[in-house]
Amino acid sequence: DIQMTQSPSTLSASVGDRVTITCRASQSISSWLAWYQQKPGKAPKLLIYKASSLESGVPSRFSGSGSGTEFTLTISSLQPDDFATYYCQQYNSPLFGGGTKVEIK
Amino acid sequence: EVQLVESGGGLVQPGRSLRLSCAASGFTFDDYAMHWVRQAPGKGLEWVSGISWNSGSIGYADSVKGRFTISRDNAKNSLYLQMNSLRAEDMALYYCAKGGRMYGSGSYLFTYWGQGTLVTVSS
Repeated sequence: DIQMTQSPSTLSASVGDRVTITCRASQSISSWLAWYQQKPGKAPKLLIYKASSLESGVPSRFSGSGSGTEFTLTISSLQPDDFATYYCQQYNSPLFGGGTKVEIK
Repeated sequence: EVQLVESGGGLVQPGRSLRLSCAASGFTFDDYAMHWVRQAPGKGLEWVSGISWNSGSIGYADSVKGRFTISRDNAKNSLYLQMNSLRAEDMALYYCAKGGRMYGSGSYLFTYWGQGTLVTVSS
């Protein structure tokens, strides 16, 4: 079975920082990779699909890259609204990564 | 506007049953696959089950196979999850999620989520 590993599990950052989260698959998943944002007490929200395609309405400071087994989610300039937990998901089969919590430094 | 509203959660004893419902609006329900995804308290996301637009294709996570049954009623724009033989490890917030037009490999992309309904399993 494919495993999805996110790193780091927790990240402390300040407003304005450039933030990068990594997701690794145990075998190639081509570009079948999505990123979700979840705020406390809220449902997850789709940010990026097909590894780098931005979902409609998602701010352009979010970007995704990668293919095969290594993927990244980048927030170019962290905003107060971005403090949340982020999950990667390979959607060839419905498997999520363990999550990365972005905290205020 | 897409809306997914879950209901039916609550406190249930181990071994008992519960039926969750999800009322959908704002899109053509019978054009899309639908899914249930759960999140245990303080934990990550786990896909539970999915169903194609016409109920012709259905899948379950190994952790619930044989105990849970997913179904849908396109006339009522509703998705259901019958949960039997509930265990402590089934305790979670259960989300209804909108999938794609297809069901299967490459289509487990969850574009909209409801707010969830909480299932507590305890004696």
